[in-house]
Amino acid sequence: AQSVTQLDSQVPVFEEAPVELRCNYSSSVSVYLFWYVQYPNQGLQLLLKYLSGSTLVKGINGFEAEFNKSQTSFHLRKPSVHISDTAEYFCAVSEGGFGNEKLTFGTGTRLTIIP
Amino acid sequence: EPEVTQTPSHQVTQMGQEVILRCVPISNHLYFYWYRQILGQKVEFLVSFYNNEISEKSEIFDDQFSVERPDGSNFTLKIRSTKLEDSAMYFCASNHRGSYEQYFGPGTRLTVT
Repeated sequence: AQSVTQLDSQVPVFEEAPVELRCNYSSSVSVYLFWYVQYPNQGLQLLLKYLSGSTLVKGINGFEAEFNKSQTSFHLRKPSVHISDTAEYFCAVSEGGFGNEKLTFGTGTRLTIIP
Repeated sequence: EPEVTQTPSHQVTQMGQEVILRCVPISNHLYFYWYRQILGQKVEFLVSFYNNEISEKSEIFDDQFSVERPDGSNFTLKIRSTKLEDSAMYFCASNHRGSYEQYFGPGTRLTVT
């Protein structure tokens, strides 16, 4: 069974500083990896995804993530954060299945930007 | 840009009552999902639906839950007899053939009293 671990429940960061949100996964098969963002009182929005190919993937709002198969990690990074990045970030994994496959989510990391 | 919509945004019901949560997936999508998020906890998969039948369901999705696509646009989640522990945010999601990107709706907050 697949699982996702987000070790940091809360991450405070000063505005314009870099940030890394950690995600580790466990699966017995090849996986697809995702980062979703949830702004207050809103639904989940896809930030970026890794399906195959280059291990460094770029997403919206200046975020990027690197897939590391040997370390089973998919950490999310941004070189300079903005107040508007304050949100909950969820890492998720899917074992595939022709577009019909459940997502397993981590517990989320609340990113707080300090002015 | 097309989006997944959900109604109502907030539903309050008494324990033992039936509730129906409604979703309108993106029009050309073929795969549909329900997830829930209990306050302060992670998002959990409930059920996936394709070609008018359930593809996969979790242990949470017991006999009290059912899903239906009554027409060409709506996708519903019914809870027959709600319990206090059903209080959560329920998210609908959809994706089209060949895509692993699930689009999520804004959620329905269900409060069972």
